[in-house]
Amino acid sequence: DVKVTQSSRYLVKRTGEKVFLECVQDMDHENMFWYRQDPGLGLRLIYFSYDVKMKEKGDIPEGYSVSREKKERFSLILESASTNQTSMYLCASSLEQGAESVQETQYFGPGTRLLVL
Amino acid sequence: GQNIDQPTEMTATEGAIVQINCTYQTSGFNGLFWYQQHAGEAPTFLSYNVLDGLEEKGRFSSFLSRSKGYSYLLLKELQMKDSASYLCAVRDLGGSYIPTFGRGTSLIVHP
Repeated sequence: DVKVTQSSRYLVKRTGEKVFLECVQDMDHENMFWYRQDPGLGLRLIYFSYDVKMKEKGDIPEGYSVSREKKERFSLILESASTNQTSMYLCASSLEQGAESVQETQYFGPGTRLLVL
Repeated sequence: GQNIDQPTEMTATEGAIVQINCTYQTSGFNGLFWYQQHAGEAPTFLSYNVLDGLEEKGRFSSFLSRSKGYSYLLLKELQMKDSASYLCAVRDLGGSYIPTFGRGTSLIVHP
């Protein structure tokens, strides 16, 4: 079974703090993703990566950055947390980039619920 | 990009059948996913459709009509544990191959 883990289930930070959210997958997947999920807005893509050291902006990258130094690990960084970044953050991975098949199925981590005060 | 629409909330009775619809508009369709997400948990994969027709998997089936930009998820013999959000996600032929998610349908199953 694919396993995607996230470093924290719950996190409370103060405005202006630098926040690191870590994600690790154990299935040698090429692609990794960071989403945030908010009531009424669904899942929105922040950043994704299709290879080590590669990153691409998603739909809402402002206020975030990412790092992928190793294939299994994808980190989301909030340089200076703000209250509007209070959200559920979900990491996901998938096997192949550009595969036109069910192999593009994404496997999600359990999520990190971040509260910024 | 895509415009994906699904009902916000549905309720159904244990043992019944429920159909959750998803309509989409995309410049070049390349697959549709359904995910289930229980409250406080990660979304988990249910089904994938890329060709027209019905895909059946136990109590769950998913249908696709590409010409109509329409899919549905059919849940039979509903159980209380089926209470969850159901997410429709559509992939297009754009460069990234990444699906765009709808806002999800919250299904409440009552006795």
